[in-house]
Amino acid sequence: GAVVSQHPSRVICKSGTSVKIECRSLDFQATTMFWYRQFPKQSLMLMATSNEGSKATYEQGVEKDKFLINHASLTLSTLTVTSAHPEDSSFYICSAAQGRAFFGQGTRLTVV
Amino acid sequence: TQLLEQSPQFLSIQEGENLTVYCNSSSVFSSLQWYRQEPGEGPVLLVTVVTGGEVKKLKRLTFQFGDARKDSSLHITAAQPGDTGLYLCAGADTGGFKTIFGAGTRLFVKA
Repeated sequence: GAVVSQHPSRVICKSGTSVKIECRSLDFQATTMFWYRQFPKQSLMLMATSNEGSKATYEQGVEKDKFLINHASLTLSTLTVTSAHPEDSSFYICSAAQGRAFFGQGTRLTVV
Repeated sequence: TQLLEQSPQFLSIQEGENLTVYCNSSSVFSSLQWYRQEPGEGPVLLVTVVTGGEVKKLKRLTFQFGDARKDSSLHITAAQPGDTGLYLCAGADTGGFKTIFGAGTRLFVKA
C-alpha cells in the first residue's frame, strides 16, 4: 500500500519557539493532505486540509496564523506550530489519499 | 458538520468475552472505516464498508454497515489480550479523502 511518512516522530521544544512537521507521500502524489491533532486518550480531530499550490482550509476553531500549513509540492506538506505553548503539546498526524486515506505515523510534540 | 458518535468509549472485559462497538451518525457517508491505533502510532485501517447492509469479516472481527449508510458496528468474538487498543470509526466524504473520526473506543482485554 501507499506510504505516508512524517518527520520528526518526536520533538521537544521550548515555549515560544516554532516547530515544523513534515508529511511526505513516499510513493504517490497527493494534491490534498490532511492534518489531525490528537490529545491524550482522545480521538483524532481534523485541523486542516492542505491543498497543493493553494491555501489550506482550516476547520472551525483552528487558528490559521498559529498552525501554518504549506503544501509546496505534490509529495510534501508541512505544518508549522508557531510560538508554541505547552497547551500545543499533542500528537499530530497527517494523511494523504490514494484511493483511500493513508496515515503517517504521527509526531509527538512536547512544548516545555 | 458531519459527526460520528461512537460507543462505548471505554470497555474492559475478560478474555473470551464478546463485544460490540457502535458508530452512529445523522449524516450519510460514502464509506465508513474502522481503524485500530496503538499508543504513539498512527491509525491502521482494519476495514472499509461502502455498501448499505454490507457485512465484512476479519478473523474474529465482524463489521457491519447500516442499510442507510449512517451507522456501523464492530463485533469482536472471543476477545483476546492482543485485541487491546483504541478502535476508531471514521467516515469519509464523497471524495473519500477527508476523514472524520468518532471519539474512539478504548478496549482492554484482561487475561
